[in-house]
Amino acid sequence: DAEITQSPRHKITETGRQVTLACHQTWNHNNMFWYRQDLGHGLRLIHYSYGVHDTNKGEVSDGYSVSRSNTEDLPLTLESAASSQTSVYFCASSPRGYNEQFFGPGTRLTVL
Amino acid sequence: GENVEQHPSTLSVQEGDSAVIKCTYSDSASNYFPWYKQELGKRPQLIIDIRSNVGEKKDQRIAVTLNKTAKHFSLHITETQPEDSAVYFCAASREYSSASKIIFGSGTRLSIRP
Repeated sequence: DAEITQSPRHKITETGRQVTLACHQTWNHNNMFWYRQDLGHGLRLIHYSYGVHDTNKGEVSDGYSVSRSNTEDLPLTLESAASSQTSVYFCASSPRGYNEQFFGPGTRLTVL
Repeated sequence: GENVEQHPSTLSVQEGDSAVIKCTYSDSASNYFPWYKQELGKRPQLIIDIRSNVGEKKDQRIAVTLNKTAKHFSLHITETQPEDSAVYFCAASREYSSASKIIFGSGTRLSIRP
């Protein structure tokens, strides 16, 4: 069955380390999104992509980067992890032109 | 920029009663309004959506209403049950455009009292 997966599901890292969170979808969706979820802030958009080699900044993009080399994957990189980036991260995807988004299971990241 | 306001942030209702969550949006070009439910420790999942060509949509105990003039929309849950306890997010976006991102509200934590 087609699906969207994230790995790792849990990650503990130290301040200053580079961390990459993986997102993989098998629906062949053009659009992919990364959100972070913190108490009291709901889902905040970090970066998004409308297709291969396309990336765009969301409302909280500082300290994060993404690249889209194929349709299936949109990895999220924290260049130098900070304690403020401790959060739950969700990846989502949607078909081109349609806005129903399908979410991955999430990654809980702790930065010590 | 675009914004979606959601109220209340927390809501507690007696089992069997109705619950209403309200949202307002700022982008007048928005035409797609989904509602997501997120159970504790789980991913958000779409429960119902409405497009701007209709004013109301119903699916069993859940209904959404949309007032485009006032730029607000609401989620109504009737005959609430314990499994309705979750965080609910409203959202707004421009569907069928090149800008397909969704703007989410900040969420409503709904608790159902037995």
